[in-house]
Order: sequence, then structure tokens, then C-alpha cells
Amino acid sequence: DTEVTQTPKHLVMGMTNKKSLKCEQHMGHRAMYWYKQKAKKPPELMFVYSYEKLSINESVPSRFSPECPNSSLLNLHLHALQPEDSALYLCASSQGQGGHTEAFFGQGTRLTVV
Amino acid sequence: KNQVEQSPQSLIILEGKNCTLQCNYTVSPFSNLRWYKQDTGRGPVSLTIMTFSENTKSNGRYTATLDADTKQSSLHITASQLSDSASYICVVNGELARGNMLTFGGGTRLMVKP
Repeated sequence: DTEVTQTPKHLVMGMTNKKSLKCEQHMGHRAMYWYKQKAKKPPELMFVYSYEKLSINESVPSRFSPECPNSSLLNLHLHALQPEDSALYLCASSQGQGGHTEAFFGQGTRLTVV
Repeated sequence: KNQVEQSPQSLIILEGKNCTLQCNYTVSPFSNLRWYKQDTGRGPVSLTIMTFSENTKSNGRYTATLDADTKQSSLHITASQLSDSASYICVVNGELARGNMLTFGGGTRLMVKP
């Protein structure tokens, strides 16, 4: 199994809603990532978890709250988002956080904030 | 500043033709370079990963080259198919104390027409 599974595939939420994005991998990878990608732009790193601990937060607003319940799961909790937060949210995982390791991406969650 | 620049930004070719995409980077220190294919609204899928010592690597109709001296890479697609229509992203990994720091290029949007 070399898949990173993200749910839901699409999400429409209001600015007062609370929702969560989920990411799952069963490759035994110990590093997991959240990226945000706007249309026609490259992905931008948001968070990195290494061995279930948050190791990198790229100055992401607090309305995005990551959580790593165990080594296979990564969540992104959303609250009070703005329309400009609409984007494709990508989860990725790799064997470790070292630069030589391959990163596998999920299919993404297309988020629309109305 | 670590940067990855890709050219052209977009490309239209006829089915069956070959094409070459370019990637120039200034990431230092250098760990590896990857080419990803990303369909619209989907997650990136790895095509090749190349380390400092590798000059050429093939994956089916895709052939990537790397010149670590000039910090340039290319992705050559042979006998293009309609399904090759996608964005192709060059990603360079710099070995830093923070770990897996991927620098993404802006991508080349390829359209293959019948």
C-alpha cells in the first residue's frame, strides 16, 4: 500500500463552521505534512509532523489547527476560515523527515469557503 | 534564497510529439531533485527522483536529466499522449537541519492536443 488517503475530496463550508480534514497512510512513514495549494501555484508548506510531534509550523494562522492522533493519521481542524482560504489542501508523508526520503502525496481536499 | 524556476510556464503540443521541460534551481545544499506530475485538482505523483551523482533517469516515456554543476534539470516526454496533459512540477530538496525542506518550482502546464 503506497497510498496517502485524504477525506473528504471536496468540502464547502461557511465562515462560522468548524470542519476537519483527514489524512491516513499505512506505509509506516513517520513524517507527515500539510500543504496548501492555490490554483496555478505550487504547494506551500503549512505543517510538518515528525514522530507524531509538530516539528514545523510555517506561521500558519491559528484558524488552522493540526493534530496527529497516531503515526498513521493526520488531521487539520478548520474554524472561522476566510474565503481566501479556499484552496486544494494536500497531505503528504515520508519515511522520515530527512531530505533523502520520498514524499508521497494524497489526492487532496478541495476546500471552498463561502 | 532557495529558488526553483521552471520553463516554459505552459506548453501545447500535438499528440505523439516529444517535448522537454526545464528546471533551474539555486537550492543549496542540494540533496535531490524530483519531478512530479499533477493533474488538475489532484495530488502530485512522483515521476523521478535524482540525487547528486545521477545524470539521467528514465521512467517509461519520461526521461529526466540532472546537471549538478549548472544546477539544471530537464524532463523529456517522448511520444506524448493525451493523458500527459497535466502540470509538471520540479521539486528540489535541500538538506537542512530542519529536515525535509522541499522547494517547489512554479510548474509547467502541458496540454497535449489530438
